[in-house]
Amino acid sequence: SAVISQKPSRDICQRGTSLTIQCQVDSQVTMMFWYRQQPGQSLTLIATANQGSEATYESGFVIDKFPISRPNLTFSTLTVSNMSPEDSSIYLCSVGRGSGNTIYFGEGSWLTVV
Amino acid sequence: KNEVEQSPQNLTAQEGEFITINCSYSVGISALHWLQQHPGGGIVSLFMLSSGKKKHGRLIATINIQEKHSSLHITASHPRDSAVYICAVGGGYTDKLIFGTGTRLQVFP
Repeated sequence: SAVISQKPSRDICQRGTSLTIQCQVDSQVTMMFWYRQQPGQSLTLIATANQGSEATYESGFVIDKFPISRPNLTFSTLTVSNMSPEDSSIYLCSVGRGSGNTIYFGEGSWLTVV
Repeated sequence: KNEVEQSPQNLTAQEGEFITINCSYSVGISALHWLQQHPGGGIVSLFMLSSGKKKHGRLIATINIQEKHSSLHITASHPRDSAVYICAVGGGYTDKLIFGTGTRLQVFP
């Protein structure tokens, strides 16, 4: 199993500011992902966090807006930059150990941009 | 058309009822996941399936690979089962998932 600690759990942010979300796993994992869930919507993959190299972003998401770090196999951060109300969402960290294994999710970071 | 379709979108039940949530997908997959999301936003993985059937307590999940269809059943439903249930499929060697839109279940006493 994997236990994921995600911080912050909830925050209210001012328009134009940036916020960094942390994801800490209690064991080494191969794959780490960042998802966004906008109000009333399903989850959408933002990017795959690659250890020691640049993240792989999905269509519609760019590094300037969502810079990601992954310095080791147990930790990653997602920054939401220059926030607008449209960025109000739940952001979730997810980890896995390769195809065919259980996926684990953090508790989510609920961001409201005012 | 979405690659992962769930039905129904919303479901209400009386305590004790048998619940079925369906998931159909149109892509090739290596595994299908059933997830539970509570109002606070956290997600718990209930099942991961690549074939057949799995059971955990009052929850049963089945998958038919040929028909590209999976079902999640809840026997003797309870108000604490109230949550959003999400079907997600993964393919290839990564764990990237494609999510269904979720089924919001409310179980009343």
